[in-house]
Amino acid sequence: NAGVTQTPKFRVLKTGQSMTLLCAQDMNHEYMYWYRQDPGMGLRLIHYSVGEGTTAKGEVPDGYNVSRLKKQNFLLGLESAAPSQTSVYFCASSVGSLRAYFGPGTRLLVL
Amino acid sequence: AQTVTQSQPEMSVQEAETVTLSCTYDTSENNYYLFWYKQPPSRQMILVIRQEAYKQQNATENRFSVNFQKAAKSFSLKISDSQLGDTAMYFCAFMKPQVGNEKLTFGTGTRLTIIP
Repeated sequence: NAGVTQTPKFRVLKTGQSMTLLCAQDMNHEYMYWYRQDPGMGLRLIHYSVGEGTTAKGEVPDGYNVSRLKKQNFLLGLESAAPSQTSVYFCASSVGSLRAYFGPGTRLLVL
Repeated sequence: AQTVTQSQPEMSVQEAETVTLSCTYDTSENNYYLFWYKQPPSRQMILVIRQEAYKQQNATENRFSVNFQKAAKSFSLKISDSQLGDTAMYFCAFMKPQVGNEKLTFGTGTRLTIIP
């Protein structure tokens, strides 16, 4: 039982490049989330999903896209990376209000 | 929209002492959930404690307890007999139970340092 895993752990991009962050969970959770963490700003919700094939915007969705083609996977895409997207990205999954399980985070640096 | 405020960016306390972290929130909802998450230097987010708003009794988990004041919209975390392993960022979070729309709203965090 791996819980929530994220790939990659660290990545450096140049401005304008694209990439996809992968989140996988093996707990059969319906809800999955993508957050970004920046100094002094806590965790802010980018996008989330309430089940396979569904996605919704969070607080800071601009510049990101997501897909949930399989229940266990939630992908976060950056089509054209910008320095403002330098951050630590966390994926989480949950069964709703009980608790959220977080992945280890992906550190992204955009030059 | 709900907001969560943590007014103490940093705190430090001697090992074995008690420390209280503050959190206030703003909501018009009557039913909701509140959480404290811990993020040690490893960056892993760890659930510390959870409180259901409809329960008057304050939640406790070993050395961790909360003071939940619903009318004042306050949710503080008390750590007793603090240990070096308690050094971490602590985040307060709010969740409104709504099928199909349940998500956590976080505060900006308090960095807690336990001094040997």
